[in-house]
This record gives sequence, C-alpha cells and structure tokens, in this order.
Amino acid sequence: EDQVTQSPEALRLQEGESSSLNCSYTVSGLRGLFWYRQDPGKGPEFLFTLYSAGEEKEKERLKATLTKKESFLHITAPKPEDSATYLCAVQENDYKLSFGAGTTVTVRA
Amino acid sequence: DAEITQSPRHKITETGRQVTLACHQTWNHNNMFWYRQDLGHGLRLIHYSYGVHDTNKGEVSDGYSVSRSNTEDLPLTLESAASSQTSVYFCASSAGPRGRALEAFFGQGTRLTVV
Repeated sequence: EDQVTQSPEALRLQEGESSSLNCSYTVSGLRGLFWYRQDPGKGPEFLFTLYSAGEEKEKERLKATLTKKESFLHITAPKPEDSATYLCAVQENDYKLSFGAGTTVTVRA
Repeated sequence: DAEITQSPRHKITETGRQVTLACHQTWNHNNMFWYRQDLGHGLRLIHYSYGVHDTNKGEVSDGYSVSRSNTEDLPLTLESAASSQTSVYFCASSAGPRGRALEAFFGQGTRLTVV
C-alpha cells in the first residue's frame, strides 16, 4: 500500500505556463512533508519542509502548500531551468522518509 | 562546507561478488540512510542508522548490510551481488533527535551494475 502518491507522472509546460503538482499521502501521524528537486544523474536537493495543514513555503517560482491529505507544489511562470523531477516525501514516526515516485517537469522555451 | 560524499560513482561487478559502497558525511549528523532508486519505484529505503553502532532494516533490506562504527560513515555492503540489485544508490543524512522532522541531505549517488 503506497503511502505517498504523486501526480501527474510527467508534466510538459511552456515557459511562463503556471501549473501545480500533487502529492497525496495516507500516513496517520505526519511529522513532516518534504519536497525535493532531482536533476538527471544527481541526488535529490532539498526544497521545503511543511509541518501542519495550512502551512505554505515559497522559494523563487515555487510555492508548496499542505492540507491534511495532500500537498501541492505550484510552479509560477516556469523557466526551462525549472525542468527536473520533483519528489515528495513524508516522515511519520521517526526519521525515515517515504517517497513518492516523482513528477518529471519539462519546461520548453 | 560540510557535505556528503559517495564512492565510487559508478561500479560494475559480477554476480555473486561482495560489493561495498561508501558514504561519508561531514555534518556530524546522527541519522544516516541508504536508498535505492529504480524506474517506477522511486526511492526505497534499504537500511538506516540513528547513531554509532545502531542499524535498522528498511523496506528492501534483503541482501544488504550496513555497519556504523563512527558518526561520519555508513558503508553499504551487498553480500552476494545479484542482477536485481542493479540500481542507483543514494546515501543521505539528517540531524536532530527523534521526534523532530528535519530535512535529509543526499549524496550524488552510486550507479551499480551487476552483470
């Protein structure tokens, strides 16, 4: 049973075309929800941590939000350099992270 | 700057051989993790450690082992490499005592091919 489900699997955007990625989770006691960015051939790079429903975090063109059942990563006016795979992970009772399969974003100029 | 490094970056080995992947972090983090990443599965936890001499099994631990003799290193050993263990392996570390959700930082990965 998957704890973390990300959608869509892939997203192709035109430069400047804003969109959102979804991460839904089924853990009972969420300690934290994390967003990472991963470029091809590299390790995941930390973006945000969200702790409680209603919380929002922003970084440049990215904004992450959290509800009791899901998180959204909004990409506003994306640029080609925002092309990457975005990973969502949840931490339940200890320091282990459970990851979703990721959303691969491609932004065309 | 503090960092986490993995070695080697690429490794080809034969079925049945023992292989050890190294992970070294200079943040003095208590928590260290090994994940594997495969298409269609995302990142799956292999083993993890909360401190020196502490090790725990993750969801895909069969055929793997780890040992933690100091804070900085968590080597991952494949006891007898199998083709199913061809994957990209990531090491990660995080700070903090239990109960606080803190971000984990990842190494650059080791691409292992078992032939």
